[in-house]
Amino acid sequence: GAGVSQSPRYKVAKRGQDVALRCDPISGHVSLFWYQQALGQGPEFLTYFQNEAQLDKSGLPSDRFFAERPEGSVSTLKIQRTQQEDSAVYLCASTTGTHLGEQYFGPGTRLTVT
Amino acid sequence: AQSVTQLGSHVSVSEGALVLLRCNYSSSVPPYLFWYVQYPNQGLQLLLKYTTGATLVKGINGFEAEFKKSETSFHLTKPSAHMSDAAEYFCAVSGGRNNNAGNMLTFGGGTRLMVKP
Repeated sequence: GAGVSQSPRYKVAKRGQDVALRCDPISGHVSLFWYQQALGQGPEFLTYFQNEAQLDKSGLPSDRFFAERPEGSVSTLKIQRTQQEDSAVYLCASTTGTHLGEQYFGPGTRLTVT
Repeated sequence: AQSVTQLGSHVSVSEGALVLLRCNYSSSVPPYLFWYVQYPNQGLQLLLKYTTGATLVKGINGFEAEFKKSETSFHLTKPSAHMSDAAEYFCAVSGGRNNNAGNMLTFGGGTRLMVKP
C-alpha cells in the first residue's frame, strides 16, 4: 500500500513569506507526528496528533509555527513569516497509535529560506 | 526527559568488515529503542527496534543490536559491511508504554557510515 507522502518535496521561500507543508499519512493511521531535521542533525519532535486532536505541541519552536489535522487524516504544518533558521527538512510520520506502533516516515519537505 | 548520544558522527569501514555504530541513551522510564537508516533525499526507514523481551534484536539487511540496560547502550552491528550500507544511521528512544506523548521519538545526532571498496 501507499506510504506516507509529503508535498512539496522542496520549497524555497523568501524571508518573511508564509509556507504550508502537507502530509498524507498512511490510511487508517491514528497518530501523526511532525519532526524538524536541521542539516547534519537528527530529527527533533515538533508536534503530535491523535486523530484530529493536537495532543502535544511542545516542540514547536515559536508561535510562527502552526499545525492542524482537521479531519484526522491529512495534516498541514504552516510557518508564518519564515526566517533563515527555519531552513530544514520537515518530516512527517504516522503510526497506528498503539504504544508498540512503528512510526512510518515520509520523504520530507526540504525548506530553504533565502 | 530522554536523550540519545551517538558516538562518532562519521564511521568508515572497508567492504566486508564489521560495522559497529554506538548509541547510548538516558531515560527516566523503561525505554523503547530504535535504529533508523536514512538514504539521501529519503525518509527514515526502521532497521530494528527493542520494546520488551529478548535483548538481542535482529533487523533488516543483516543488522542487529543489543539492549544493555546496565550500560544504557543499544549499539548497532553488522558482521560484514556492504557498499549499499553507506547511509546515515539514527538511534532513537521513546518512553514506551509509559509515554503520554504518543511515543514521540528522541533521536541522536546520527552517524554517517561510509563503506570503502
